[in-house]
Amino acid sequence: DAGVTQSPTHLIKTRGQQVTLRCSPKSGHDTVSWYQQALGQGPQFIFQYYEEEERQRGNFPDRFSGHQFPNYSSELNVNALLLGDSALYLCASRMTGTGLKYGYTFGSGTRLTVV
Amino acid sequence: GDSVTQMEGPVTLSEEAFLTINCTYTATGYPSLFWYVQYPGEGLQLLLKATKADDKGSNKGFEATYRKETTSFHLEKGSVQVSDSAVYFCALSERSGNQFYFGTGTSLTVIP
Repeated sequence: DAGVTQSPTHLIKTRGQQVTLRCSPKSGHDTVSWYQQALGQGPQFIFQYYEEEERQRGNFPDRFSGHQFPNYSSELNVNALLLGDSALYLCASRMTGTGLKYGYTFGSGTRLTVV
Repeated sequence: GDSVTQMEGPVTLSEEAFLTINCTYTATGYPSLFWYVQYPGEGLQLLLKATKADDKGSNKGFEATYRKETTSFHLEKGSVQVSDSAVYFCALSERSGNQFYFGTGTSLTVIP
């Protein structure tokens, strides 16, 4: 059973450009969260999607937006890229209703480098 | 707001040594507490968790006890192995479980 799948694994973009990252949740999971992990830091919550809507958002600017599709997969979009957006972007999924019993399943991430 | 403070690394231990990684938290409500582990090139994996005060989470020889009086959730293992080399993250989540707050991570290297 595949876990959380993210694509691409690595990406290099130029400052000012836009980027789209993709995530397929673990089979049976319907809730997707996105985290940004800067080098040497812990992951920081960007937002969570459930039933194709943003359910909760962390302290990130509107340049960060997302989408969830009917098959529960999700995209993270970042506009007007800044050098400080360089980070590992992690997608995490869970099944709603399981509460905190099983935690989240994380993908291996997309390494974004902005030059 | 909610936050996690984690012992800074890196930590280097010899095989079979005792491990402690300190973690303290600040939270307004009654959070659940977690330890996640990240191996090189991989995503985070749940190591153990505790959902209420005095609960002890355990897995693969690792243990951590939810101490409300000291707002701590220290990770311990009696005898580490080379395969335990990884980065360890302490985290908390509020009751809804929608948002996790992570510490900065502690890198552990175990040498033979």
